[in-house]
Amino acid sequence: QKEVEQDPGPLSVPEGAIVSLNCTYSNSAFQYFMWYRQYSRKGPELLMYTYSSGNKEDGRFTAQVDKSSKYISLFIRDSQPSDSATYLCAMIKGGGNKLTFGTGTQLKVEL
Amino acid sequence: DAMVIQNPRYQVTQFGKPVTLSCSQTLNHNVMYWYQQKSSQAPKLLFHYYDKDFNNEADTPDNFQSRRPNTSFCFLDIRSPGLGDAAMYLCATSRDLISAGGLTDTQYFGPGTRLTVL
Repeated sequence: QKEVEQDPGPLSVPEGAIVSLNCTYSNSAFQYFMWYRQYSRKGPELLMYTYSSGNKEDGRFTAQVDKSSKYISLFIRDSQPSDSATYLCAMIKGGGNKLTFGTGTQLKVEL
Repeated sequence: DAMVIQNPRYQVTQFGKPVTLSCSQTLNHNVMYWYQQKSSQAPKLLFHYYDKDFNNEADTPDNFQSRRPNTSFCFLDIRSPGLGDAAMYLCATSRDLISAGGLTDTQYFGPGTRLTVL
């Protein structure tokens, strides 16, 4: 069993939709949670970084962490075609620095 | 403006022919990382340098080596590439391993080098 599970998609939504992307994890040692966006043939770009359970908002993006359920989410409001990319969740264990990634969810926002 | 630069962006090599990938950074970060990302898979950490201190992941094949001659540059050497080594190789940096606040420091990625092995 992988430590981090993420549905690979692809997920296709119309422009303006609210998008929900999710990851589950099995190891409670994970303490730091990130979402990266990766455009085709580019490196991952950090979108959100959270430490504690709860919500963190940045513009159209909201990251949600539920440590009791070992479940994290990224919500994208008013989705745009430019949001079309692969979204990778990543996490780090407390006291460590090694990123463990999910496989990524491919998102396509259509006009 | 580019902060983490990787060269070349695309590299083609022959089976068994050594290849070197390059990464440079303008952020003056202490830590540099190399990841391997195969198609539709998660990036996998190969190793990292904290300053000159080299840290190898336990499952990184011996075929992969790295050099960091100074703060700005880090190289990935693949001694005898096999077909299974075809992948995107990502370089990343972070200011430190743990920030002054005790939280893990964020990693910034370069655009990657896509390696093809013929």
